[in-house]
Amino acid sequence: EPEVTQTPSHQVTQMGQEVILRCVPISNHLYFYWYRQILGQKVEFLVSFYNNEISEKSEIFDDQFSVERPDGSNFTLKIRSTKLEDSAMYFCASSASRGSGANVLTFGAGSRLTVL
Amino acid sequence: TQLLEQSPQFLSIQEGENLTVYCNSSSVFSSLQWYRQEPGEGPVLLVTVVTGGEVKKLKRLTFQFGDARKDSSLHITAAQPGDTGLYLCAGGDTSGTYKYIFGTGTRLKVLA
Repeated sequence: EPEVTQTPSHQVTQMGQEVILRCVPISNHLYFYWYRQILGQKVEFLVSFYNNEISEKSEIFDDQFSVERPDGSNFTLKIRSTKLEDSAMYFCASSASRGSGANVLTFGAGSRLTVL
Repeated sequence: TQLLEQSPQFLSIQEGENLTVYCNSSSVFSSLQWYRQEPGEGPVLLVTVVTGGEVKKLKRLTFQFGDARKDSSLHITAAQPGDTGLYLCAGGDTSGTYKYIFGTGTRLKVLA
């Protein structure tokens, strides 16, 4: 069964360092998302991406965050200067289509980011 | 801002018991999804309901979307230890975007 692959599974970094989280969405999917889940809290939307541009971003997705689809297969989330509060599980998701009832998201297993 | 509250937050029951998890909001959603999340993994989609009042069954799991599309419930019949996990509801945003807004989660533990 097709799956969304995320790397690394766990990254530990020092505050202020740049981090890049990578995702390989399902090959025929066109819509890509990043969500995050702080330990013990709910899953929060960060950003959606379609046709090589951001479709929507949340208040969390400030200037320190950026997304890119550099080569047609990878979808990356970059945090420029990490803060302690960026520690969370980051989930990538993709879908083949949008619209009510048709927007079936497939999630990756997540990348756990720990900022020290 | 659309918010989804789930109840109960935690639930520990014996194998064979029935349970219902609720997902409530004051906002209308275009659709409602239920996910199950295992520790260290991403959420896995169980079902999508689209029409107000819609009921879907997945083996021992019954999902219902409220008539007004503001709430949903998940009922599990004869729970088994394999049902243990974090159950998440997610509502489809109606503001013209296509993101899903996740609920607060219900952590279920089924004891053998």
